[in-house]
Amino acid sequence: AQSVTQLGSHVSVSEGALVLLRCNYSSSVPPYLFWYVQYPNQGLQLLLKYTSAATLVKGINGFEAEFKKSETSFHLTKPSAHMSDAAEYFCAVSKGGNKLVFGAGTILRVKS
Amino acid sequence: NAGVTQTPKFQVLKTGQSMTLQCAQDMNHEYMSWYRQDPGMGLRLIHYSVGAGITDQGEVPNGYNVSRSTTEDFPLRLLSAAPSQTSVYFCASSYTAGYTEAFFGQGTRLTVV
Repeated sequence: AQSVTQLGSHVSVSEGALVLLRCNYSSSVPPYLFWYVQYPNQGLQLLLKYTSAATLVKGINGFEAEFKKSETSFHLTKPSAHMSDAAEYFCAVSKGGNKLVFGAGTILRVKS
Repeated sequence: NAGVTQTPKFQVLKTGQSMTLQCAQDMNHEYMSWYRQDPGMGLRLIHYSVGAGITDQGEVPNGYNVSRSTTEDFPLRLLSAAPSQTSVYFCASSYTAGYTEAFFGQGTRLTVV
């Protein structure tokens, strides 16, 4: 069965610092992995997705994630945090169609 | 392009009342689904549909019913509301072909008192 674990329910970084949000997955088949972002009182927006075409995936707003099969990880990074990046981030694995299994989420705080 | 539209945005129910959360999409997507979001638990799948007339249960279906009479609409019914159903509900849609992006509505915040 597919599952996702996000390490750290809250992450705080200074503006301009590296952002690293951790995600580990469990899947019995090659996984399709996603990162979504949720701004306050809004729905979820896709940041990026891994569908086996390339292990390093670039997304919107300067985010990227690297799929590492040996570590069963799909960590999200951004070289330089901006105040507008403050939001909640969800890692998810697909069970097919839009049946997604989500992690618990990581709230990113950006300090000025 | 409206995308996925959910109504209402906010709702307060008394225990035992019933109601329907509406979801409509204008992208001609075959796949639609309902999730609930609770603090510290991410989003959990309630019910999903792979096309008009076809629905199935997700991870947490108890207390909820769905139907899919058209491609565009996928309403979620709460039969007899309970405080445990206090949550934020999201509807999502996607293309049927493979593992594609799910588009989410803005959510319905439901409080059951």
